[in-house]
Amino acid sequence: QSALTQPPSASGSPGQSVTISCTGTSSDVGGYNYVSWYQQHSGKAPKLMIYEVSKRPSGVPDRFSGSKSGNTASLTVSGLQAEDEADYYCSSYAGSNNPVVFGGGTKLTVL
Amino acid sequence: QLQLQESGPGLVKPSETLSLTCTVSGGSISSSSYYWGWIRQPPGKGLEWIGSIYYSGSTYYNPSLKSRVTISVDTSKNQFSLKLSSVTAADTAVYYCARRIGKAPNRFDPWGQGTLVTVSS
Repeated sequence: QSALTQPPSASGSPGQSVTISCTGTSSDVGGYNYVSWYQQHSGKAPKLMIYEVSKRPSGVPDRFSGSKSGNTASLTVSGLQAEDEADYYCSSYAGSNNPVVFGGGTKLTVL
Repeated sequence: QLQLQESGPGLVKPSETLSLTCTVSGGSISSSSYYWGWIRQPPGKGLEWIGSIYYSGSTYYNPSLKSRVTISVDTSKNQFSLKLSSVTAADTAVYYCARRIGKAPNRFDPWGQGTLVTVSS
């Protein structure tokens, strides 16, 4: 059982927007601005898409955006493209005793 | 461009110790800006952080694995290593190494390609 809760699946048509949620507690997501999102294509290593809630690494399209409200973080993918079909994992800092926790992952399907 | 490559046995017997090495190329493991981490993913399942290390040798681990995990660094070889003792089938996973950037403990970029380790007799 993962520390952070994500919906198992999400979907959208090309050009649409989709939002994936990541729910934690005040001890992790709600307590710190250290939420990251990773994209993982089948058989590949994860790729960092968002860090510190809403920051994008160089090279990540601005179609990807992150936000947080209370104990829930969100990843929004706008203008969906076929190559966005992948698994997405959220991660949060959870304090010095257990610094890094992940969500169970969300499979994004582009219809 | 920084690259990471995991290496080690793909098959480990139950109760034995899993040993993996991550070789860093295109940059120095001794940079003061980074930590280095191990993350694993059981087949068909999600990601689990194992632990992270600084070039000085300072480490921090997932409390659920802490009693069995040792992460070390060899700056002369630009490598860091993972040892996981007393393995069981539940430790079967793809093991990734990654660079941790900045103050965020969960900002890992880039990742190695991963290596599958199977625990079986």
